[in-house]
Amino acid sequence: DIQMTQSPSSLSASVGDSVTITCRASQSISTYLNWYQQKPGKAPKLLIYGASSLQSAVPPRFSGSGSGTDFTFTISSLEPEDFTTYYCQQSYSVPWTFGQGTNVEIK
Amino acid sequence: EVQLVESGGGLVQPGGSLRLSCVASGFTFSNYWMNWVRQAPGKGLEWVANMKQDGSQIYYVDSVKGRFTISRDNTKNSLYLQMNSLRGEDTAIYYCAKDRGGSSGYDYWGQGTLVTVSS
Repeated sequence: DIQMTQSPSSLSASVGDSVTITCRASQSISTYLNWYQQKPGKAPKLLIYGASSLQSAVPPRFSGSGSGTDFTFTISSLEPEDFTTYYCQQSYSVPWTFGQGTNVEIK
Repeated sequence: EVQLVESGGGLVQPGGSLRLSCVASGFTFSNYWMNWVRQAPGKGLEWVANMKQDGSQIYYVDSVKGRFTISRDNTKNSLYLQMNSLRGEDTAIYYCAKDRGGSSGYDYWGQGTLVTVSS
């Protein structure tokens, strides 16, 4: 199985800050990497697919990059509604696996 | 509007069974892979199983192989998860999720249904 390691597990930031989350795969997954946002009590929401493609209707302050084993997810200017949990997921091979999540907290 | 509505969760004793259902609307159900993803209380996301459009390919995470069965009825726009020999570690919210296509993630999710395995 491909292991996905996200870092950090949590971070503190302020509205307007730029934050970056990294995700590392235990083997190359090309660009089969997706990013989700999950708010408490809600289902996850797809933000980025294919490592860098923005899902429809997702604000452009969200972006992703990377290929192979190392990926980054950036929120360029945090809005109040962005303080929640984010997950990466590989869709290269079964079993599709998620990172452990990153909780973005208000400083 | 795409909607996925799960049902069938509840409290079940260890060793028991439960069948989850997911009814889809707002898209051509028969054109997409469909998935079950779960989340234990306070924990991260875990993909459980998925099924190709025509049912010809099915995959499971190792921890549920031989106990869970995914199925679908394209005439009813429905996805199912039959869960047998349930264990405490199966306690989770179970989400039905639609494949975006081309191994590019899940673009629509249901609200989830809670399965609690406890005596």
